[in-house]
Amino acid sequence: QSALTQPASVSGSPGQSITISCTGTSSDVGGYNFVAWYQQHPGKAPKLMIYDVNNRPSGVSNRFSGSKSGNTASLTISGLQAEDEADYYCNSYTSSNTYVFGTGTEVTVL
Amino acid sequence: EMQLVESGGGLVQPGGSLKLSCAASGFTLSGSAIHWVRQAHGKGLEWVGRVRSKHYNYATGYSASLKGRFTISRDESETTAYLEMNSLRIEDTAVYYCARQIDTADRRFDPWGQGTLVTVSS
Repeated sequence: QSALTQPASVSGSPGQSITISCTGTSSDVGGYNFVAWYQQHPGKAPKLMIYDVNNRPSGVSNRFSGSKSGNTASLTISGLQAEDEADYYCNSYTSSNTYVFGTGTEVTVL
Repeated sequence: EMQLVESGGGLVQPGGSLKLSCAASGFTLSGSAIHWVRQAHGKGLEWVGRVRSKHYNYATGYSASLKGRFTISRDESETTAYLEMNSLRIEDTAVYYCARQIDTADRRFDPWGQGTLVTVSS
């Protein structure tokens, strides 16, 4: 199972919106509504931001939203803030009854 | 507060074995699957495998890349899960995290433990 494809880096100014893509296949992202997004700050454990494509857990800012079209899922961060600077990973369930992570995206707030 | 705490990491020689533990604090693992995820230094997250809940007969699943070297289990007290690693290779060096997934609900991994470092070196 190959890792899902994410851009290596995305940047934006405070207050702007950015979108991170996560591209897989019909055997993972495209086949199920089981895509999640995790935020990871340096030296810390990952934190759940979005699950099942577009669901936000309690306590996560509504500036974070998720969507999916075909084999590509997306995470949008609106009103970018300095604290959003981190690595972001998508994750999907697969047809092999396993899970796969994306390659990771480094978000920089300019 | 719900927490997962990993332990058992350390230095091991190539070809050796190590068993990691993942203990729940503030909640029970009943009804939950436990996933193991690893991250080599400076690299991305890699799904290792998971053990499902009693409802699913503690079924396990693994990343194909591990080629049968790793085994995930859990105890019947529903408080601890384990990752047993055999025939360890230098490339298995990583921080190993465990995470909970409510087995009969959605597919979120939450919470995560703080991770335990495994170093494979001679």
